[in-house]
Amino acid sequence: QVHLVESGGGVVQPGRSLRLSCAASGFTFSSYALHWVRQAPGKGLEWVAVMSYNGNDKYYTDSVKGRFTVSRDNSKNTLYLQMNSLRAEDTSVYYCARDMRENYYFYMDVWGKGTTVTVSS
Amino acid sequence: EIVLTQSPATLSLSPGERATLSCRASQSIRLYLAWYQQKPGQAPRLLIYDASNRATGIPARFSGSGSGTDFTLTINNLEPEDFAVYYCQHRSNWPYTFGQGTKLEIK
Repeated sequence: QVHLVESGGGVVQPGRSLRLSCAASGFTFSSYALHWVRQAPGKGLEWVAVMSYNGNDKYYTDSVKGRFTVSRDNSKNTLYLQMNSLRAEDTSVYYCARDMRENYYFYMDVWGKGTTVTVSS
Repeated sequence: EIVLTQSPATLSLSPGERATLSCRASQSIRLYLAWYQQKPGQAPRLLIYDASNRATGIPARFSGSGSGTDFTLTINNLEPEDFAVYYCQHRSNWPYTFGQGTKLEIK
């Protein structure tokens, strides 16, 4: 069964850093691009970043460029999101999501349950 | 960045009725649009991809149409479990973006 489990969320002060992880199982991890999507409390979905299946390409939404870095370890079936210089507006539930096509960028068909990040002093 | 605008913000209907949700893109995205359903406390679920293709396991009462800048999600014969928030999302270029959502509520 395909599974994604996010971890690493918590309460952090503005300006500090946090690293999220997304552990995958049930599929060939190294064949799929993986996305981060977030949702602020009571708000809609915001696409954050993607990393290609082989780690060669990554893309970000403008509001996190230069502060967030997506990476993956295909030997550990794990996706990461390093978040630096955190701001109050980064407070959200962060979802990890798998792309639905191998070796391609498409849509997100498998989602984790999310991990909550709260940026507050 | 492509902006997706969904309407209406809230749609109040009764079970058995038909729901029509709209998503408009700020520029042409060809057929590169998906629809997701999200229930409270849950992750989103992919319903429709590339404008009109149902994802695996999605009931036939869900259908999508449109191309270019105007897209529609139609839900026929609403079931109680269909009342949720619906989002559209494009994959035309980076960054991907979502619409702001339409809340489908029970009348």
